[in-house]
Amino acid sequence: DAGVTQSPTHLIKTRGQQVTLRCSPISGHKSVSWYQQVLGQGPQFIFQYYEKEERGRGNFPDRFSARQFPNYSSELNVNALLLGDSALYLCASSRWTSGGLGTQYFGPGTRLLVL
Amino acid sequence: DAKTTQPNSMESNEEEPVHLPCNHSTISGTDYIHWYRQLPSQGPEYVIHGLTSNVNNRMASLAIAEDRKSSTLILHRATLRDAAVYYCILRDLYNQGGKLIFGQGTELSVKP
Repeated sequence: DAGVTQSPTHLIKTRGQQVTLRCSPISGHKSVSWYQQVLGQGPQFIFQYYEKEERGRGNFPDRFSARQFPNYSSELNVNALLLGDSALYLCASSRWTSGGLGTQYFGPGTRLLVL
Repeated sequence: DAKTTQPNSMESNEEEPVHLPCNHSTISGTDYIHWYRQLPSQGPEYVIHGLTSNVNNRMASLAIAEDRKSSTLILHRATLRDAAVYYCILRDLYNQGGKLIFGQGTELSVKP
């Protein structure tokens, strides 16, 4: 089975622009989570979606938004980009088990550079 | 959120065992201990997880202290491909919606 896929792999934007990142989960996984990883730090949780509903939100401004589609793929949108938004954006998918949300499997990420 | 403490970096020689420690003194009864690793230029990769008992899989072993305030990830024979940042994460499936809270992790370098 294919792993989590993300597009694009790299992206360059200028301050004030908007960006949309895409994620396709592993087949059968209904939960998608988004993380931001700034250089030299561990990933920071942004959003979690399960069955197309937001189930968790991290400490990020309202410029960050996301949604999940009926096929369980997801988009992360960031408006009014700032230099500090330059980071690796990671998507992870998981399935729901009887013990709760299962292991998260990460994609390779989208590297965003804001100039 | 319960926190974990890991050394910033460790070194190992190829084909020798590696013991990566993690302290989590404020762990709660429903926190699972998860380990992920991140190879250069890749997303994090699940390694292993456990609750109370020691766990083994094809990648590694997880030794959990009896009081659960610390744990150790054991790589039995380090290879050059094991060079990565290793994250020890506490995860409460029921109260946190399953989100992962990453710390700084331990950067493991493996010398040939």
